[in-house]
Amino acid sequence: DTAVSQTPKYLVTQMGNDKSIKCEQNLGHDTMYWYKQDSKKFLKIMFSYNNKELIINETVPNRFSPKSPDKAHLNLHINSLELGDSAVYFCASSHLNNEQYFGPGTRLTVT
Amino acid sequence: AQKVTQAQTEISVVEKEDVTLDCVYETRDTTYYLFWYKQPPSGELVFLIRRNSFDEQNEISGRYSWNFQKSTSSFNFTITASQVVDSAVYFCALTGTGGSYIPTFGRGTSLIVHP
Repeated sequence: DTAVSQTPKYLVTQMGNDKSIKCEQNLGHDTMYWYKQDSKKFLKIMFSYNNKELIINETVPNRFSPKSPDKAHLNLHINSLELGDSAVYFCASSHLNNEQYFGPGTRLTVT
Repeated sequence: AQKVTQAQTEISVVEKEDVTLDCVYETRDTTYYLFWYKQPPSGELVFLIRRNSFDEQNEISGRYSWNFQKSTSSFNFTITASQVVDSAVYFCALTGTGGSYIPTFGRGTSLIVHP
């Protein structure tokens, strides 16, 4: 059983398109996160939801919008994709302030 | 504001050498949590250890050990008798409890173990 899953694993798209990445966790955690990892491996937190409430909303373009339909899901929608959005996006989950369990990552390439 | 510094960008060792990865942190919170994560070449991020600020006891798990020292704000990670499979990027992270739940990650240390 996969603990934290993300789909798709790879996403290749053109500039200007809109795309979504889905994340699901079956660990019973109350907190979920989205991270962006750049080519230099720097992990930057983007958003976090605790019990479906947004608790972290870092400085990211408003083209990025998270949606948490329930505690087990946190999706990321990106509008008007730009070249600079190319990165690996990781979803993670945890109990608040505890260790995080990460999904396998989604490699987004914008051409 | 929180900060995690991993000053070593890349470390290269030969198999069976011991290696220590440094992590220095800054926080104003009195209660906080420290973590280490491993990211092997395959790309997934794997949790290794969690320590809370009230527990300065060192931890050993097989060839891995962690040294937490509040006096120097450090949480260092040592791999004894390194193996090629230890090659990965290792991240140190910090979460405070003073109202901000933002986990702060260091920039990672890339460990390369040569056979």
